[in-house]
Amino acid sequence: GAVVSQHPSWVICKSGTSVKIECRSLDFQATTMFWYRQFPKQSLMLMATSNEGSKATYEQGVEKDKFLINHASLTLSTLTVTSAHPEDSSFYICSARDVAGGPSDTQYFGPGTRLTVL
Amino acid sequence: GDSVTQMEGPVTLSEEAFLTINCTYTATGYPSLFWYVQYPGEGLQLLLKATKADDKGSNKGFEATYRKETTSFHLEKGSVQVSDSAVYFCALEGTSYGKLTFGQGTILTVHP
Repeated sequence: GAVVSQHPSWVICKSGTSVKIECRSLDFQATTMFWYRQFPKQSLMLMATSNEGSKATYEQGVEKDKFLINHASLTLSTLTVTSAHPEDSSFYICSARDVAGGPSDTQYFGPGTRLTVL
Repeated sequence: GDSVTQMEGPVTLSEEAFLTINCTYTATGYPSLFWYVQYPGEGLQLLLKATKADDKGSNKGFEATYRKETTSFHLEKGSVQVSDSAVYFCALEGTSYGKLTFGQGTILTVHP
């Protein structure tokens, strides 16, 4: 089946630094990727929709200057948390939808990245 | 806006027990409904789905029926196995095509 990877799987950084998280579709091409954030014991919250070759669409309340998203190719999207602070500590999950498009059952999820900001 | 509410966990069962995880939703129109499962260290995987009222989704012994009158999509399995231990998420796709709204997840642990 379709596989989505994320790198790194976990990262610890100091407050004020920036962290980049990669999301790759390994065996299919993804025109659309989604970035989610998950707090402990809470649901996944959609942060933004990333379309290859165009600007990301951010959900209400998500700071686009803080969470920079780049989808430069059909197999890679990156999320950069700029000037990270402890409140940015969370579990970040990406998903990818293949070029055929279609409904949400054609979304494939990465295993997530645990970010801890000290 | 759209929202999904799942029963709080964690849920702990013995092998071969009956499982029910409740899920109710709020949405305009006629959303599609999904159950996803996340095994330790892995990404979410689609378990089953239903796209219209009274549809029943099923997979790997799990079932859920789209009940519009009660706005529910409860997950059931007649006899759980240790290998079913995972986190289960209920989700809906509303009017924004491709965008999913998730419940908070329910941790299921099955003991031998």
